Amino acid sequence: KNQVEQSPQSLIILEGKNCTLQCNYTVSPFSNLRWYKQDTGRGPVSLTIMTFSENTKSNGRYTATLDADTKQSSLHITASQLSDSASYICVVSASYGGSQGNLIFGKGTKLSVKP
Amino acid sequence: NAGVTQTPKFQVLKTGQSMTLQCAQDMNHEYMSWYRQDPGMGLRLIHYSVGAGITDQGEVPNGYNVSRSTTEDFPLRLLSAAPSQTSVYFCASSYWSGEPPHEQYFGPGTRLTVT
Repeated sequence: KNQVEQSPQSLIILEGKNCTLQCNYTVSPFSNLRWYKQDTGRGPVSLTIMTFSENTKSNGRYTATLDADTKQSSLHITASQLSDSASYICVVSASYGGSQGNLIFGKGTKLSVKP
Repeated sequence: NAGVTQTPKFQVLKTGQSMTLQCAQDMNHEYMSWYRQDPGMGLRLIHYSVGAGITDQGEVPNGYNVSRSTTEDFPLRLLSAAPSQTSVYFCASSYWSGEPPHEQYFGPGTRLTVT
């Protein structure tokens, strides 16, 4: 069964600190992996999309890594800010069903950044 | 560009009532989809469309209808609301044709409560 597991479920860090969120998946065939940021009460917003051949992708203070062999991804947030408080969702796309494929959503990691 | 818009933002229904959740996008995207987000679960696909006149079922289609008469609009109809349909509903859109992967844009969501 195609699954996306994220850890930790929740995380509290102090402003200015770094943190890393994990995503493990069992999706086959694999097409691409996406990280989204979802602020409370809002829709998800795309941070990165990585295909099989990409190991690392950055978007400002957000850096995503992908190891397609071990089927793991991580999202690293550098020098956290209060505005980083949100849920971070890992989504894996299976390569069938058209260009959007079959998107499998993780349950998300809820990050709280405290002053 | 307004992006993806959804109305209403909040709605309370009684069991058995019907209603339509509206979704519109102004980015000329072929692909549009509806998801529901429940506590402790990842987003789940209800219905999707790859163009005007073409719709298909997702993971949890029961109790919902969709139609796509224009590229811009993709309404979701609840036929006879049930308490199990209490959820937050998100509409999303993206390009479909051309080289994937295509970034998916989400609306702000509709919070629905069925009593």
